[in-house]
Amino acid sequence: NAGVTQTPKFQVLKTGQSMTLQCAQDMNHEYMSWYRQDPGMGLRLIHYSVGAGITDQGEVPNGYNVSRSTTEDFPLRLLSAAPSQTSVYFCASSPRGGAGDTQYFGPGTRLTVL
Amino acid sequence: AQSVTQPDIHITVSEGASLELRCNYSYGATPYLFWYVQSPGQGLQLLLKYFSGDTLVQGIKGFEAEFKRSQSSFNLRKPSVHWSDAAEYFCAVGFTGTASKLTFGTGTRLQVTL
Repeated sequence: NAGVTQTPKFQVLKTGQSMTLQCAQDMNHEYMSWYRQDPGMGLRLIHYSVGAGITDQGEVPNGYNVSRSTTEDFPLRLLSAAPSQTSVYFCASSPRGGAGDTQYFGPGTRLTVL
Repeated sequence: AQSVTQPDIHITVSEGASLELRCNYSYGATPYLFWYVQSPGQGLQLLLKYFSGDTLVQGIKGFEAEFKRSQSSFNLRKPSVHWSDAAEYFCAVGFTGTASKLTFGTGTRLQVTL
């Protein structure tokens, strides 16, 4: 049981490049989400999904795209990377998406945009 | 809008000393309350959570937290800190009807001196 996995662990991009951050969970969780972590700002929600085929925006969705074709996978796409997207990105999942559910976090992807 | 405040950015304690990390929230009703810990280079791990019942909750690694409705607070405590507790601690809140979307505080970095 691997839990929540994220790839890559580190990535450097040039401004304007696109890429996909991968996230997968093997716990059969319905809810998955993406956060970004910036110094002094805690974690902020980018996008979330309450089940396969259903996604919605969080607090800071601009510049990011998501899809959820399977229960297990929830990739995050950067359409045209900008230096402001330099951050650490965390994927998380929870069993049913209830407000009191425990969220399980992946190890993170550290992204630098030059 | 709901918010979470962790007023202490950085705290240093000696090993064996007691610890209290502060967390205040702003919301009209009782939220779901969480404390997560992030060790360097790692994802977030749940320490404990509260949403009803006994206002003193026990978590992993010897941590506890007390919900005080009158003060809108959910402070984290540990009677005797170990060097391995050095990490960043995040308070988070969830709200009924918002699925598992969490609002995080900005975090408190704990340093433990030997």
